[in-house]
Amino acid sequence: GAGVSQTPSNKVTEKGKYVELRCDPISGHTALYWYRQSLGQGPEFLIYFQGTGAADDSGLPNDRFFAVRPEGSVSTLKIQRTERGDSAVYLCASSLKSRETNTGELFFGEGSRLTVL
Amino acid sequence: SQQGEEDPQALSIQEGENATMNCSYKTSINNLQWYRQNSGRGLVHLILIRSNEREKHSGRLRVTLDTSKKSSSLLITASRAADTASYFCATPPSSGNTGKLIFGQGTTLQVKP
Repeated sequence: GAGVSQTPSNKVTEKGKYVELRCDPISGHTALYWYRQSLGQGPEFLIYFQGTGAADDSGLPNDRFFAVRPEGSVSTLKIQRTERGDSAVYLCASSLKSRETNTGELFFGEGSRLTVL
Repeated sequence: SQQGEEDPQALSIQEGENATMNCSYKTSINNLQWYRQNSGRGLVHLILIRSNEREKHSGRLRVTLDTSKKSSSLLITASRAADTASYFCATPPSSGNTGKLIFGQGTTLQVKP
């Protein structure tokens, strides 16, 4: 597809379970971002990949959260031992990093809504 | 922590009126971006303004940047019902950073037909 694709669009799970959220970025975009958004709030930065490596993971709230991008394209956000407070919309974005501005325009997916019961 | 703060948090206007949203940020930046989000959807990039620019236009959008006051404004002229959405400003956390963007809390705009 032409845009950023996120699956699943909705995920309901029970407290304590393991969850994986997938992001398929725009082809050729080297930078990939994960954000978390709670109702009525702005997106909260989680992690940013440049290629296969995590350039900045300072937003991951704790060690239950982990993200990978093994081939520099698709990324998976993994949440272990989910808690009710993890309920949110998880947004993925990709971009062509601009040398001039160091931050290019971000193209967002529609998000994965996670509900932890 | 949030870098940008939008003001007002919510804005309700009639179709045809202009809407102005403001964003203040804390540290030096090399660019500032504005995004729009329709309810239940992902964010869409509207405009990027660089630190050496003071004003930029795109269709009915006008963005200003005042680096001395660390603030930006987004003006939507001749608003339409379809402009109803949340609007966010986003900045790098500091100049010369790794490339991440920090978003504000957003302004929710309602345009009444």
